[in-house]
Amino acid sequence: EAEVAQSPRYKITEKSQAVAFWCDPISGHATLYWYRQILGQGPELLVQFQDESVVDDSQLPKDRFSAERLKGVDSTLKIQPAELGDSAMYLCASSSNSNQPQHFGDGTRLSIL
Amino acid sequence: KQEVTQIPAALSVPEGENLVLNCSFTDSAIYNLQWFRQDPGKGLTSLLLIQSSQREQTSGRLNASLDKSSGRSTLYIAASQPGDSATYLCAVVAAGNKLTFGGGTRVLVKP
Repeated sequence: EAEVAQSPRYKITEKSQAVAFWCDPISGHATLYWYRQILGQGPELLVQFQDESVVDDSQLPKDRFSAERLKGVDSTLKIQPAELGDSAMYLCASSSNSNQPQHFGDGTRLSIL
Repeated sequence: KQEVTQIPAALSVPEGENLVLNCSFTDSAIYNLQWFRQDPGKGLTSLLLIQSSQREQTSGRLNASLDKSSGRSTLYIAASQPGDSATYLCAVVAAGNKLTFGGGTRVLVKP
């Protein structure tokens, strides 16, 4: 069973609505990553945190997506407003530091109607 | 920009056959390469990690090779079993622990 916790496991919502995902990394892991995986493709990095700071958000669509890790532990990824093309699996991963392997959670499957 | 390609996209074999999964990448400036397994609707489970200085890595029935100069890695799974049915993803790791994934190979092992 994955040690990185994500919730919810599934989310169905209508376009234009707001949606939020939560991730709790492995205890003590300083680096946290959010990925988006479109069906049939590999995951793509959206944002990387080191503690509470954003290290890389170059692929995050900032007009509608936001991410935070206020206390450097758990993290929230938000989409507002959601669009049909946002339907995907959203994966969270963590590593003890930026040089160690990443451990993945089971993801949140998002469906936009 | 690094690009990672996995061929074939899907593979079906009878139980007991060996599996050969291919991964190619365009930029050889990598720190390591990882192979992951993904079951339907689940996250990624790391199978093998090969450092850029290594040529291969083995774990049980799994063996992964790396030829950095030619930008290729191969995952071999010996004596396949129905439980090996899953999607297998390779990812190259560059500076800053950035993973670039291939599109995956979907494997079906038929009993």
